Amino acid sequence: EAGVTQFPSHSVIEKGQTVTLRCDPISGHDNLYWYRRVMGKEIKFLLHFVKESKQDESGMPNNRFLAERTGGTYSTLKVQPAELEDSGVYFCASSQVLGNTEAFFGQGTRLTVV
Amino acid sequence: GESVGLHLPTLSVQEGDNSIINCAYSNSASDYFIWYKQESGKGPQFIIDIRSNMDKRQGQRVTVLLNKTVKHLSLQIAATQPGDSAVYFCAEMKASSYKLIFGSGTRLLVRP
Repeated sequence: EAGVTQFPSHSVIEKGQTVTLRCDPISGHDNLYWYRRVMGKEIKFLLHFVKESKQDESGMPNNRFLAERTGGTYSTLKVQPAELEDSGVYFCASSQVLGNTEAFFGQGTRLTVV
Repeated sequence: GESVGLHLPTLSVQEGDNSIINCAYSNSASDYFIWYKQESGKGPQFIIDIRSNMDKRQGQRVTVLLNKTVKHLSLQIAATQPGDSAVYFCAEMKASSYKLIFGSGTRLLVRP
């Protein structure tokens, strides 16, 4: 069974441009999470989908970030316009059971804004 | 892959020795405490968790200890192997919030 996959693995964009990150969770996992690790600091929660609904988006830093999960399958995270401080590694994770401490993470997308 | 933060605390151990990785947590209301392992170029991987009403839990070669009095969590790895080299993150979760709150990581280096 395929794990959580993220695309692209790396992205380098200029400040002010737009970038869209994609996450394909494990099939059948209703719960999908976005996290990010900025400047080698802690991994921070961004938001949580249950199927296509946003359960918790308290970690989204500002309105330049937009996450979607149409149809409750894959999810996208768009950053528009990107700023230098958005650089970091963006992780997607999924889990089958709500509240499961074991989330399955993708390999991450390394975003560099120059 | 992702490079480990330059300022991560590092634990260096000899292959075959036991490793102890420590973490201080802040939220006494968390219901679960969890350890994740992140190898270079990969995402975090679940290792073991412990409920807040327990003080010790054992897995395969790993033991997690929870000291709620001093808000301290530790991960013990027995007979450390080269494949254990990674960054280890502690995390907390409240049952009502469903999100992981990660602590700072510790890099474990295993010397052959």
